[in-house]
Amino acid sequence: DAGVTQSPTHLIKTRGQHVTLRCSPISGHKSVSWYQQVLGQGPQFIFQYYEKEERGRGNFPDRFSARQFPNYSSELNVNALLLGDSALYLCASSLPRASGQETQYFGPGTRLLVL
Amino acid sequence: QQPVQSPQAVILREGEDAVINCSSSKALYSVHWYRQKHGEAPVFLMILLKGGEQKGHEKISASFNEKKQQSSLYLTASQLSYSGTYFCGTEEETSGSRLTFGEGTQLTVNP
Repeated sequence: DAGVTQSPTHLIKTRGQHVTLRCSPISGHKSVSWYQQVLGQGPQFIFQYYEKEERGRGNFPDRFSARQFPNYSSELNVNALLLGDSALYLCASSLPRASGQETQYFGPGTRLLVL
Repeated sequence: QQPVQSPQAVILREGEDAVINCSSSKALYSVHWYRQKHGEAPVFLMILLKGGEQKGHEKISASFNEKKQQSSLYLTASQLSYSGTYFCGTEEETSGSRLTFGEGTQLTVNP
């Protein structure tokens, strides 16, 4: 079975530009979460979507936005890029907490470098 | 507030044991453990749910003390492949499914 997939794998942008990152969850998973991981730190929660609705938002500025599509894939958008946005962006998919199997499985990530 | 992991780093010889601790000041619903190798995504190891039993498989096991909001990961008879950074991710009772990760514990296993 295919795991979580993300695209692109690497991206180089300049300050002020916009970026869109994509994620496809494991088949059957309706929940997608986005995390930002800066070098040397643990992943930091950005968003969670379930059934196309935002269910949680971390402490990130409004430049960060996301959405989930009817096929449960998701996009993360970041506007007006700053140097500090350089990081590994991870997508994780899971079943809902009520299922009792809410393990979050991570995709390979998109490594974003802002110059 | 993120959970606190200890130790920050540990170096082992192949075959030795290690314990990694994770402590939170919040009421937790679950604790998730991941291992991440350099340049790769975190790989799921195990999840411990409130009210659940100690989990384990092969030589890696974990416990969750609900009263103290603490979890420990036990690595026995370590192998070279165990090297990497270990993260605990905590899920609070009231936060839905978002995980809050600690700073990580860097584990190095030498021959």
